[in-house]
Amino acid sequence: GAVVSQHPSWVICKSGTSVKIECRSLDFQATTMFWYRQFPKQSLMLMATSNEGSKATYEQGVEKDKFLINHASLTLSTLTVTSAHPEDSSFYICSARWGLGTISYNEQFFGPGTRLTVL
Amino acid sequence: GQQLNQSPQSMFIQEGEDVSMNCTSSSIFNTWLWYKQDPGEGPVLLIALYKAGELTSNGRLTAQFGITRKDSFLNISASIPSDVGIYFCAGHLPSGNTGKLIFGQGTTLQVKP
Repeated sequence: GAVVSQHPSWVICKSGTSVKIECRSLDFQATTMFWYRQFPKQSLMLMATSNEGSKATYEQGVEKDKFLINHASLTLSTLTVTSAHPEDSSFYICSARWGLGTISYNEQFFGPGTRLTVL
Repeated sequence: GQQLNQSPQSMFIQEGEDVSMNCTSSSIFNTWLWYKQDPGEGPVLLIALYKAGELTSNGRLTAQFGITRKDSFLNISASIPSDVGIYFCAGHLPSGNTGKLIFGQGTTLQVKP
């Protein structure tokens, strides 16, 4: 149980295009999903917190118009990198926080990550 | 911002040896989680700790939630080559219920067969 998938696993795009990454909790309802960015040999950097049915909360320094997040259901959140540039190249990882009804639990389960390369 | 100080930064050990790593903070945490990340993959949850003083095992892994709530350690006994990877500690602060995790910098473990 507690499986989180991401799609695509890797993507290469041209500068100026937009890329959408999907995050799904496969066997549980996720009251909250989180999006992280990770550079080589570094820890995970939280970009935003996404709650189903409401606007995402972005961390300081993360452009919300650049990184659009939609959390349409309890099992799906999407991150769209708009007008991507080479400096947006990174490893993007989502995580899902398990919830049951109105109760959320503290364990987060991570997706396998998406490697984005912007040419 | 809030930080977790994780040490050591890296370890290179012989297969069969025991490993210990820890995280400390100046802040109190409600939860401590230990994750392992393989190259090109997302972190995988190893152990979750919820109470001060709690000692939990998962196979050859043992982790403890420090009594002061400001630290945690992870031990790996009898290491094997597949233990190679980056280990992260992470914790939840008491304020609010946002679910946001604070991550340590990671400990890179290499095991020599």
